[in-house]
Amino acid sequence: DAMVIQNPRYQVTQFGKPVTLSCSQTLNHNVMYWYQQKSSQAPKLLFHYYDKDFNNEADTPDNFQSRRPNTSFCFLDIRSPGLGDAAMYLCATSRGGIGPAYEQYFGPGTRLTVT
Amino acid sequence: DQQVKQNSPSLSVQEGRISILNCDYTNSMFDYFLWYKKYPAEGPTFLISISSIKDKNEDGRFTVFLNKSAKHLSLHIVPSQPGDSAVYFCAARSQGGSEKLVFGKGTKLTVNP
Repeated sequence: DAMVIQNPRYQVTQFGKPVTLSCSQTLNHNVMYWYQQKSSQAPKLLFHYYDKDFNNEADTPDNFQSRRPNTSFCFLDIRSPGLGDAAMYLCATSRGGIGPAYEQYFGPGTRLTVT
Repeated sequence: DQQVKQNSPSLSVQEGRISILNCDYTNSMFDYFLWYKKYPAEGPTFLISISSIKDKNEDGRFTVFLNKSAKHLSLHIVPSQPGDSAVYFCAARSQGGSEKLVFGKGTKLTVNP
């Protein structure tokens, strides 16, 4: 089945220790997104790639970086995690373009704990 | 400032009855609206959508209504089933082919047997 895969599902890191979350997709979608979601909050878009074009949200801290080495993979790097970065991180994909291509398909998420 | 608002954090209904989840928005440039369903420990899954040129879209037990003048949409689930218990997110997309969605905070629906 075509899907969006996130690894690991649970990640524990220490305060200030860099961490990388990964996302892969078998949907061959053009667009990949990273969201941060805290408890009882809306998913907050951090950035997205449209093909190789990187689009950062204005309020995404510099501490968060992303890489997309190819169509299938996208990584979220947190350079110096703080306690406030503990959250669920969701990866999503979409075909991009006009019409129903706007539907986004989500992975199961990675729960990040910062100790 | 929240452009998509789901003012009810939770809703509880009896099995077999209708569930109505509400969503309000402030941006008149939104042209597509979507509902996502999220179970614990899973990512959101797409449920149903509606274009701003329509006022109703139906898919089985799920119907979404859009009132553009009121900037309000609602998701009706009838009859509700215990398996519908989940968090429901409303999302909206801006005109112009934007690939970005704006999400509400979600409403937790509990369907009691």
